This record gives sequence, structure tokens and C-alpha cells, in this order.
Amino acid sequence: EAQVTQNPRYLITVTGKKLTVTCSQNMNHEYMSWYRQDPGLGLRQIYYSMNVEVTDKGDVPEGYKVSRKEKRNFPLILESPSPNQTSLYFCASRLHDRGVTEAFFGQGTRLTVV
Amino acid sequence: GDSVTQMEGPVTLSEEAFLTINCTYTATGYPSLFWYVQYPGEGLQLLLKATKADDKGSNKGFEATYRKETTSFHLEKGSVQVSDSAVYFCGGTGRRALTFGSGTRLQVQP
Repeated sequence: EAQVTQNPRYLITVTGKKLTVTCSQNMNHEYMSWYRQDPGLGLRQIYYSMNVEVTDKGDVPEGYKVSRKEKRNFPLILESPSPNQTSLYFCASRLHDRGVTEAFFGQGTRLTVV
Repeated sequence: GDSVTQMEGPVTLSEEAFLTINCTYTATGYPSLFWYVQYPGEGLQLLLKATKADDKGSNKGFEATYRKETTSFHLEKGSVQVSDSAVYFCGGTGRRALTFGSGTRLQVQP
């Protein structure tokens, strides 16, 4: 089954404690991205990757890091989380960034930073 | 940059009522347009799409037509059901990713 898998689904952590949210897709997609969803703000892109070893900032990259060492994985790293990073996070993948290709989303990770 | 504007919610309707959720976009060139739906506790799922002007996307009774002259892609359904209660996102392709509107929550009451 084609899918995007995020882990964990829920996470409560304390300010400053490094954490990683994993994302994996089994569709051999080139393009992967991370979004955060906040009430009234919709989905905002954090980082994206057009292929292995190619990453770039989205609209709200501050406080986040990513890596793309393998095509299937695109982890989101919060080196020193802060309460304003409390949000619902989604990973998405697309075949590529050219033309009309739909995005497939993971089920989301609800992060709370206290 | 590209942007998508959709009507704010929540939208509350009775079962079998007619639904319209407005969406307009601003982009360089002519992006492909999408509607995604998010059911409670889940990620986003593609509902329908249109790739060029005058295209009509349709799925599960929902429809949207890509209107280049008004830069709009309004979502419509003739008769909503309780099971349609969800958050609906309009989106357009850009160089980097889909750009989304802020989402519209639909609540359908029996």
C-alpha cells in the first residue's frame, strides 16, 4: 500500500530537548516536504527536498532542520524546541515537483512543547 | 509569491443542503489546482484537481471548475451528508510545493 508514515503520532516534550520526527514514503517519490498546521493559519511549509541531498527552506524554517540522505526518508529535527513550535506537523511526498502530481500526506504528528 | 485565499469557516449546514466553499488563487503562470479534505485525526487526502483553465474536477459528488478569468476554484456539492464534515483545503502548485489556503471547516448537521 502506498503511504507516507510519520512517527511518533503524538509527542510531549520540554523546552530545549532535541527531538526528531521521522517520515518515510514507499512510493519512490523525489519530492518531500514538511508542513505545520496551526489554527487560522492553514498549512505552512517548513522545508522541502527535491531529491536526495537537496533540501531548501520553506516559508517557516526557523528552529527546524532536515536531512535527505535516502530517497524514502525525510526526518524533521528540532534541535532546541520551544513552546511556539507546538503544532500539528505533516510530512508529504510527491512524485516530483514538475507538472501535476498530487501530494500524499502522512497522518500527522501532534507536538506539544512545554 | 503564490497564494491561495479561501473562505473562512466554520460552515454549518443541514444534511442535503447545497455547499459552496470559495477559493481564489494568485500565482505566476497558471498553476494546477487541488482540493484536499482532512477528516478528524487524519492527514490530508486529495479530493479533486484541475490542471488547466475550464477543467472541472469531480469526486464523491464534489465539483470545482478552474476559472482563469476570475482566478477561482470554488468547491461545490449539491447535497451534503453528515459524513462530509471535515476541513477542506484549497491548494495550488508552485515551484516548491503546494501552497494551501487556511482551510474551511464544514459541519453538517442531521
